[in-house]
Amino acid sequence: AQSVSQHNHHVILSEAASLELGCNYSYGGTVNLFWYVQYPGQHLQLLLKYFSGDPLVKGIKGFEAEFIKSKFSFNLRKPSVQWSDTAEYFCAVNAYGNNRLAFGKGNQVVVIP
Amino acid sequence: SQTIHQWPATLVQPVGSPLSLECTVEGTSNPNLYWYRQAAGRGLQLLFYSVGIGQISSEVPQNLSASRPQDRQFILSSKKLLLSDSGFYLCAWNGGRAEETQYFGPGTRLLVL
Repeated sequence: AQSVSQHNHHVILSEAASLELGCNYSYGGTVNLFWYVQYPGQHLQLLLKYFSGDPLVKGIKGFEAEFIKSKFSFNLRKPSVQWSDTAEYFCAVNAYGNNRLAFGKGNQVVVIP
Repeated sequence: SQTIHQWPATLVQPVGSPLSLECTVEGTSNPNLYWYRQAAGRGLQLLFYSVGIGQISSEVPQNLSASRPQDRQFILSSKKLLLSDSGFYLCAWNGGRAEETQYFGPGTRLLVL
């Protein structure tokens, strides 16, 4: 079964700072990769995903993530965060053709105005 | 457009009591349906998924069961709740392919006392 690692569960940073959240997974085959975000009081929603093609994926609200197959990683980045980016971010992985999503433990990100 | 509903939003139940949480999806047919449990600092854990009426796959052995009596209805149940069943329960759906986004409901917060 796949497992997903997210480090630094709590991240606090100031507006305009850059953000990078790490995601590593353990599965040797073809994978689909997702970042979900949960804003305070809102549903969990998709930020971006990768399943084929360009390994650099752009999502909503200026976020991007890069799939590095050799490192089993799918790190999320945003060059300049805003207060509205305060949320919990989850990395998720499933194997090609398999709907079972494995989630990481999440990163609680707090952006200070 | 598609909508996913969950109820109740919050539930406080005594240990040993039964449980029934309901999830319904509108605006799509024959969705894949999922039940997750989210615990603070532990990410989301897939509990059950269903690819059609009456078809349930259980991911982890536990005190819970799931049923899908109608195409767009997914129910999470227990005959006797345990303290460890407390948590935030999320329902999700997608069209069935692994690379597809899963869309999440608002969740039910369950507290077992």
